[in-house]
Amino acid sequence: GQNIDQPTEMTATEGAIVQINCTYQTSGFNGLFWYQQHAGEAPTFLSYNVLDGLEEKGRFSSFLSRSKGYSYLLLKELQMKDSASYLCAVRDNYGQNFVFGPGTRLSVLP
Amino acid sequence: GAVVSQHPSWVICKSGTSVKIECRSLDFQATTMFWYRQFPKQSLMLMATSNEGSKATYEQGVEKDKFLINHASLTLSTLTVTSAHPEDSSFYICSARKGTGEGEKLFFGSGTQLSVL
Repeated sequence: GQNIDQPTEMTATEGAIVQINCTYQTSGFNGLFWYQQHAGEAPTFLSYNVLDGLEEKGRFSSFLSRSKGYSYLLLKELQMKDSASYLCAVRDNYGQNFVFGPGTRLSVLP
Repeated sequence: GAVVSQHPSWVICKSGTSVKIECRSLDFQATTMFWYRQFPKQSLMLMATSNEGSKATYEQGVEKDKFLINHASLTLSTLTVTSAHPEDSSFYICSARKGTGEGEKLFFGSGTQLSVL
């Protein structure tokens, strides 16, 4: 079966660093994606990992460990506009399916 | 990045009417598009996979006669909610797949908020 877990909610302070974890058990694996979604809007692409290790892109970094079925999204220098839901998604072996996690609602406080 | 246009952004309709939602890939061809439904504070629920030139593949529990999907061209997929009822009120989002293999990514439309009275 397919199962992706993320914390439901997180709270952090403006300027701080926050790590959002994602664990997955899927029938196949061909890449892990992180998306940001503001309320009432469509998700926007943040990052993509297919090999183990850390991918850095500005204030956002994403890490993957395929052997552990684990990823995290790291957000640095948090800004109020970073308050959103963050979705972890796994693409299966055949590329036909993207399985989304439940999403993590991040609230950034002043 | 690629652009996916979804229209309309929001629609209010009476119970029993049908509503059509369009999803267009503006600057690339998409042989595969996906339709999702999202309830407030919940994640995306895949409804169906739309393949150009063939029948859509529906997820378990999604009524194919109620949610009609047509993917007649490489840049357009439509979702028609037939005989809509209040319980169909939701946020519907499409996405289009661009690229192949490891370079493949999803690009999302802006979503459609459907309210059935």
